[in-house]
Amino acid sequence: AQSVTQLGSHVSVSEGALVLLRCNYSSSVPPYLFWYVQYPNQGLQLLLKYTSAATLVKGINDFEAEFKKSETSFHLTKPSAHMSDAAEYFCAVSETHNNAGNMLTFGGGTRLMVKP
Amino acid sequence: GAVVSQHPSWVICKSGTSVKIECRSLDFQATTMFWYRQFPKQSLMLMATSNEGSKATYEQGVEKDKFLINHASLTLSTLTVTSAHPEDSSFYICSAIRSAVDEQYFGPGTRLTVT
Repeated sequence: AQSVTQLGSHVSVSEGALVLLRCNYSSSVPPYLFWYVQYPNQGLQLLLKYTSAATLVKGINDFEAEFKKSETSFHLTKPSAHMSDAAEYFCAVSETHNNAGNMLTFGGGTRLMVKP
Repeated sequence: GAVVSQHPSWVICKSGTSVKIECRSLDFQATTMFWYRQFPKQSLMLMATSNEGSKATYEQGVEKDKFLINHASLTLSTLTVTSAHPEDSSFYICSAIRSAVDEQYFGPGTRLTVT
């Protein structure tokens, strides 16, 4: 069975500050891991994904995440927050080893707020 | 980029009635689509996997007779909530797998309110 825990349902940062959104996973097999962003009343947009290649994954809009097997973590970071980054972020895990992410299990989500 | 649409974007219905939600892949064919539901301030929960030309696969705890899924073509999957009750009120999101590029694309969601 797989599960995802996102620490902190709400994170607030100042514009220009570092963004760190935490994600820990549990999986019975080597996982594929994903980060998605959801803007209000919209579907999910893929930010980045880990599929057993490089452990440091770079995504869109300067986001990146590092897969740390020893810590079972896949935290999302961005060096400098923009106002437009304010949204809900979801971490997800898949055990099906499909690059597209079949059978995703999502974390509870983290709402990122960016203060001017 | 690939686009997945949902119709309607929001719907209000009375308790006991049925509601159909459409999920379309606009510029690619999708043999596999997924249906999720998202309660307010909560995460997405996978309801079922919709496979073109075959029966959907439902997750544990999801009533297949209540949530009817039809994937009759490579670009359209429908979710029908039958005999809707207020507890079915939720945000329903579909996604489609674009096999050619091995990517999953999500629709914008449908907000269902049952009164």
